[in-house]
Amino acid sequence: QQKVQQSPESLTVSEGAMASLNCTFSDGTSNNFRWYRQHSAKGLEVLVSIFSDGEKEEGRFTAHLNRANLHVSLHIREPQPSDSAVYLCAVSMGTGGLSGKLTFGEGTQVTVIS
Amino acid sequence: NTKITQSPRYLILGRANKSLECEQHLGHNAMYWYKQSAEKPPELMFLYNLKQLIRNETVPSRFIPECPDSSKLLLHISAVDPEDSAVYFCASSLGQAANTGQLYFGEGSKLTVL
Repeated sequence: QQKVQQSPESLTVSEGAMASLNCTFSDGTSNNFRWYRQHSAKGLEVLVSIFSDGEKEEGRFTAHLNRANLHVSLHIREPQPSDSAVYLCAVSMGTGGLSGKLTFGEGTQVTVIS
Repeated sequence: NTKITQSPRYLILGRANKSLECEQHLGHNAMYWYKQSAEKPPELMFLYNLKQLIRNETVPSRFIPECPDSSKLLLHISAVDPEDSAVYFCASSLGQAANTGQLYFGEGSKLTVL
């Protein structure tokens, strides 16, 4: 059964500094990797999806995938206080309709201070 | 994401029967129900692709999904239990090809069981 672990559990960064989050997964056949953001008591906002090794940038958010190391990371460039939220890593092994069967990590609470 | 609408948004129940509704206006073929308990990441409950139930995760039998057409998803709950208190998210994806882009989530229906 897929296990997804995130680190750190919480992260405090200064406004404008780079924030880096890590995610490891257990099943090497995984092929869909997504990062979501969830503000308190709100829905999930997709930030970036990545399907092959390397880097994928969406605005200030960059994901790096290394499937051999079972690792995907998220880097937030120039974080702002409004970026304070829980960041969730989600991994899937499916294709087509099964690509939405996501296993989530426990999340990283990010706090951006001015 | 206003293109996936869920109702009701908030629900307080004793041991009663109720249905949650979801509708997506994205033309997606795959729809999902996820459950997010307090301080936990979302977990997949049910997955429909082209109106067919593809994956029925291990959830109590009092939860019964229904997909009357490819844009609508229902979750019928009978005799709710306090452990059912959670936010129930509807999600959808294109679901026609491998790595088909994003999985979008609705705003969630928050169920509180007294």
